[in-house]
Amino acid sequence: SAVISQKPSRDICQRGTSLTIQCQVDSQVTMMFWYRQQPGQSLTLIATANQGSEATYESGFVIDKFPISRPNLTFSTLTVSNMSPEDSSIYLCSVDGGINTGELFFGEGSRLTVL
Amino acid sequence: KQEVTQIPAALSVPEGENLVLNCSFTDSAIYNLQWFRQDPGKGLTSLLLIQSSQREQTSGRLNASLDKSSGRSTLYIAASQPGDSATYLCAVNDYKLSFGAGTTVTVRA
Repeated sequence: SAVISQKPSRDICQRGTSLTIQCQVDSQVTMMFWYRQQPGQSLTLIATANQGSEATYESGFVIDKFPISRPNLTFSTLTVSNMSPEDSSIYLCSVDGGINTGELFFGEGSRLTVL
Repeated sequence: KQEVTQIPAALSVPEGENLVLNCSFTDSAIYNLQWFRQDPGKGLTSLLLIQSSQREQTSGRLNASLDKSSGRSTLYIAASQPGDSATYLCAVNDYKLSFGAGTTVTVRA
């Protein structure tokens, strides 16, 4: 299994500002995933982050709004830019921690409220 | 596109009763299926992972079955406890993870 730490765990932000969420894993992983969970809804994949290459974004998500960094095999950041109340969500970092099993592990999430 | 459905959306049972949570998916060409637990405002905790070649997985009071041909998985929780109260999510992996909306379980003491 993998232990994932996310910061911040929660924050209240003003409209128009940006916030960077950090994700730290206790072991080296190839792929890291960023998800969004809007209130009362299930998870939606934002992007997949591979070390040393540009993140791959899902339909409906763009790099200008959700820039991602992946400087090494244990760390990634997601920035939510120019926030609006519609960005109020839980943002979750995930990794594939199982050797050849495809089992995913999640961090505790970062709960953002945009006023 | 893979569609994942979880029924029921919510469930309330007295302590000690067995829980049966259902997950259905539209495309049977899957790599694996994973059940998660989510407490309010928190991240996801992995409960069970079933590979496409497996029929079931067990961990303690939890048992998950998989019937790929019919596109169904069932999570059984035996002898439920108030601490089992949470939202349970099913995720289907066909090289991209698709989540169901979850079943919110309340176990009454």
